[in-house]
Amino acid sequence: DAGVIQSPRHEVTEMGQEVTLRCKPISGHNSLFWYRQTMMRGLELLIYFNNNVPIDDSGMPEDRFSAKMPNASFSTLKIQPSEPRDSAVYFCASRSGQTYLNEQFFGPGTRLTVL
Amino acid sequence: AQSVTQPDIHITVSEGASLELRCNYSYGATPYLFWYVQSPGQGLQLLLKYFSGDTLVQGIKGFEAEFKRSQSSFNLRKPSVHWSDAAEYFCAVGAPTGTGNQFYFGTGTSLTVIP
Repeated sequence: DAGVIQSPRHEVTEMGQEVTLRCKPISGHNSLFWYRQTMMRGLELLIYFNNNVPIDDSGMPEDRFSAKMPNASFSTLKIQPSEPRDSAVYFCASRSGQTYLNEQFFGPGTRLTVL
Repeated sequence: AQSVTQPDIHITVSEGASLELRCNYSYGATPYLFWYVQSPGQGLQLLLKYFSGDTLVQGIKGFEAEFKRSQSSFNLRKPSVHWSDAAEYFCAVGAPTGTGNQFYFGTGTSLTVIP
């Protein structure tokens, strides 16, 4: 298996532009997580899905952020409009089953820079 | 509220020396504890996890961790560090929430290994 796939790996955009980050989870995994990592705040859970349904989006910072999972093999995290403070590394992770006892497998991340 | 504290932001050790990374947690019930490692430019990889039973847990890459309930700690150890162990290490606690379950990550400890 190729593991969790994220694209793009790097994104540089200007303030106000729309940004879409993509994630393909490991085949057969039915839980998917989006995290944001910054020096100031560390690793934060933004949202997670079970069986394509958003379960907890309390970590989504504001309405500019939205996430979708139209099917079991694809998810997007969208920021519109983007701001410089959104600059961070965004990780997607997937997991088999719904219990936190199971390991989360992380993708390589997308490094977002908003100018 | 659940929380994880990693008191050491950065640690430097000599290759071949022993290593201990500290992790303290705050959680009202029996914690489910994890250590992840993040190599530069990579996603997170699970090193080991503790759910119950033997309080000394063995993980991959020669790492182990000991759960001490009395100290609310889950410190990571390795008897002899290799240069390839240089990375960022994250402690996490898994906990149920009202809408499911999630991880709470510590802020990480950056490990430098000198020859």
